[in-house]
Amino acid sequence: AQSVTQPDIHITVSEGASLELRCNYSYGATPYLFWYVQSPGQGLQLLLKYFSGDTLVQGIKGFEAEFKRSQSSFNLRKPSVHWSDAAEYFCAVALKTSYDKVIFGPGTSLSVIP
Amino acid sequence: GAGVSQSPSNKVTEKGKDVELRCDPISGHTALYWYRQRLGQGLEFLIYFQGNSAPDKSGLPSDRFSAERTGESVSTLTIQRTQQEDSAVYLCASSLIRTGHNEQFFGPGTRLTVL
Repeated sequence: AQSVTQPDIHITVSEGASLELRCNYSYGATPYLFWYVQSPGQGLQLLLKYFSGDTLVQGIKGFEAEFKRSQSSFNLRKPSVHWSDAAEYFCAVALKTSYDKVIFGPGTSLSVIP
Repeated sequence: GAGVSQSPSNKVTEKGKDVELRCDPISGHTALYWYRQRLGQGLEFLIYFQGNSAPDKSGLPSDRFSAERTGESVSTLTIQRTQQEDSAVYLCASSLIRTGHNEQFFGPGTRLTVL
């Protein structure tokens, strides 16, 4: 079955430390890939997206993600986390054959400690 | 331009009552999505509109849930005979559908509490 998994339910990092949030998908072909962030009490905001081309994509707020076809992964990274990055992060995919259907992963909650 | 707006921002209702949630998408966005997010959970897809037709209603949890959309404009999500398990944040998103550009823009959500 088609699915999006985020293996880490909750992650805690120290401010200034590096961050990697994992995302794996299960589809027959390469989908469109997205990362969204949801700050407390806020709606979801797009961080970055991958459609084709360079497998390392840059997003807002200093985030980047790398698409690895062989691993069916699209992990989100940030070299130095800020306290304001504490939020819920959602990976999402859209099939190229029916790109209007977007499937969200269960989310990873990020806590940042001083 | 304005983003996606939703109203009300908060709704408290009694079990058994009907509620109507509204979503105003970004002007010109042809696609509109409704999601439910229970406390501490991910997004649960409810329904998707392309224009005023709904090609995918697969996520509606029961026949108490219905949604409609006027043209490529406002959408309302109606929950009849609300139950306590309907308590959640209901998120709306809109998108300008074209190949390879399905970025969804989300509204702030409506927090529904059923007592």
